[in-house]
Amino acid sequence: QVQLQESGPGLVKPSQTLSLTCTVSGGSVSSGGYYWSWIRQHPRKGLEWIGYIYYNGNTHYNPSLKSRLTMSVDAAKNQFSLRLSSVTVADTAVYYCARGAEEFDFWGQGTLVTVSS
Amino acid sequence: DIQMTQSPSSLSASVGDRVTITCRASQNIRTYLYWYHQKPGRAPKLLIYAASTLQSGVPSRFSGSGSGTDFTLTISSLQAEDFGTYYCQQSYGDSFTFGPGTKVDMK
Repeated sequence: QVQLQESGPGLVKPSQTLSLTCTVSGGSVSSGGYYWSWIRQHPRKGLEWIGYIYYNGNTHYNPSLKSRLTMSVDAAKNQFSLRLSSVTVADTAVYYCARGAEEFDFWGQGTLVTVSS
Repeated sequence: DIQMTQSPSSLSASVGDRVTITCRASQNIRTYLYWYHQKPGRAPKLLIYAASTLQSGVPSRFSGSGSGTDFTLTISSLQAEDFGTYYCQQSYGDSFTFGPGTKVDMK
């Protein structure tokens, strides 16, 4: 059973960079055929797809976030990461990592990131 | 972006009820449509992929149908563990989008 776990700061100041890591267990991020995604959920609101990455570094980002977004994979640590620059209060959300590119069959438990000074 | 709408936005039902939720896309998405169930404080759980295929381990009381722009999720006999919020999601466009959700609570 694949398990994912998000980690990173829970509080980020406006204009700074939000950085999160997802650690995968029970499977390998470098297994061919699987993509690895980030999704967020604003407080008491719906879900927003952020983007995905393949083990070879290929990415596909939400166009609305693309200019601020960087994803990476560390196969040696079996992790993938998200960096979102120039954050504002609108980036406050629960951030989930998940397996999949089009549909998401395994999810992390989510981590709340608050943007506040 | 392809916009997704869901109806109703909320409903109240009893255990044993048949529940139907609809999802509409702003343009043709063929069958690139997925359904998720989320309970408070938990991550969403994939129920249906490709509009009508049941994800492994999901009870057969869940079913999905539709193609193009109109889709339906049906729960044939609602169980206590089925309460929560249901979301549809499309992956046809350049940006994948979720519907706003349908909250199912106890009558």
